[in-house]
Amino acid sequence: EAQVLESGGGLVQPGGSLRLSCVGSGFSFSKISMNWVRQAPGKGLEWISVISGHGRSIEDADSVRGRFTISRDNSKNTVYLQMNSLRVEDTAKYFCVKEENKGHRYGLDVWGQGTTVTVSS
Amino acid sequence: DIQMTQSPSSVSASVGDRVTIACRASQDITTWLAWYQQKPGTAPKLLINAASSLQSGVPSRFSGSGSGTYFTLTISSLQPEDFATYYCQQGHSFPLTFGGGTKVEIK
Repeated sequence: EAQVLESGGGLVQPGGSLRLSCVGSGFSFSKISMNWVRQAPGKGLEWISVISGHGRSIEDADSVRGRFTISRDNSKNTVYLQMNSLRVEDTAKYFCVKEENKGHRYGLDVWGQGTTVTVSS
Repeated sequence: DIQMTQSPSSVSASVGDRVTIACRASQDITTWLAWYQQKPGTAPKLLINAASSLQSGVPSRFSGSGSGTYFTLTISSLQPEDFATYYCQQGHSFPLTFGGGTKVEIK
């Protein structure tokens, strides 16, 4: 069974940094693009970043471009989200999500339980 | 960016009711549309992709239809476990975007 498990969330001051990690298992990790999606408290879902299986293709949302960086280490079945210059509005639960095996057009089919990031002074 | 607009934002319904949720895209996304179900405190679950393809294990009372810019998710006979928030999401192009969600509540 395919699974992903996030870690690394916590409380950080505005302007600070945090790195989230996500370990995948039960699927061919290096062949699948991985995404980060966030959900602010009581709000909807916001896609923020994707990295291709080989790591050479990356897309970001405007809201995080230049501040957040997605990366992956296929030897560790792990994808990362480096978050810099954090803002109060980045407070959210961050989900690591596997895209469907046929590609992003077919949706996001495996979600982690999420890790919570709180940006506050 | 492609904007996704869901309606209604909430619906009150009873067990056994037929419920339809609409999702409109700001431009043609052919059939690159997915639907998710999210229950409080849990991660979203992919129900339908490619507008109408039911994921394995999802009950047949769920169905999706549409193409271009207008899509619907229908629950033919609402069950107690279906009370949740539902999101549409376009997979046509990056950035991937979600609708604002539709909360299905107990009447």
